Amino acid sequence: SQTIHQWPATLVQPVGSPLSLECTVEGTSNPNLYWYRQAAGRGLQLLFYSVGIGQISSEVPQNLSASRPQDRQFILSSKKLLLSDSGFYLCAYSSDSNNQPQHFGDGTRLSIL
Amino acid sequence: DQQVKQNSPSLSVQEGRISILNCDYTNSMFDYFLWYKKYPAEGPTFLISISSIKDKNEDGRFTVFLNKSAKHLSLHIVPSQPGDSAVYFCAASAIGSQGNLIFGKGTKLSVKP
Repeated sequence: SQTIHQWPATLVQPVGSPLSLECTVEGTSNPNLYWYRQAAGRGLQLLFYSVGIGQISSEVPQNLSASRPQDRQFILSSKKLLLSDSGFYLCAYSSDSNNQPQHFGDGTRLSIL
Repeated sequence: DQQVKQNSPSLSVQEGRISILNCDYTNSMFDYFLWYKKYPAEGPTFLISISSIKDKNEDGRFTVFLNKSAKHLSLHIVPSQPGDSAVYFCAASAIGSQGNLIFGKGTKLSVKP
């Protein structure tokens, strides 16, 4: 069966520190991978998506970056965190076929102090 | 400009009755629509989807209706149960968008015993 793992579950970081959030998927090959952020009281905003190793597309200009070093690994990073980077970060995957649902990890609650 | 709108931030329903969650969209290129359920501090869970070639899809207690002329979809839950209490997100993807989802801001459903 297919599963998605995301860690850590919660993270408290000082302003200006680096960030690395990791997401891995099991049980599927060549998935589409996604990073979303949910700010307080708002819907989910797509940050990055990837259709293959090393292929990253960004949806919004921001302080974050993403990388896909392996087929089923997706990493969200920042060199220097801002207060505005606080939020709930979600990783998701879908098969590479058309009209397939995305399945989400349990998310990382990131608080910037 | 919100392409997917959920105009009711909250809905309260009695156990056993029908819950109707509504969603409107503006992009005529959307061809795939989904509903997700989300509990606090967890990732969204996929519930049900519908392709634009259909106007109804049913899965157990959940039915999604699509009215393309009105650019409107709805999720019906019958009968509603207290465990259905959660935030429900409507999402849509457009032809050729690599499956990228645009989410509404969510509707918080409370089912009272």
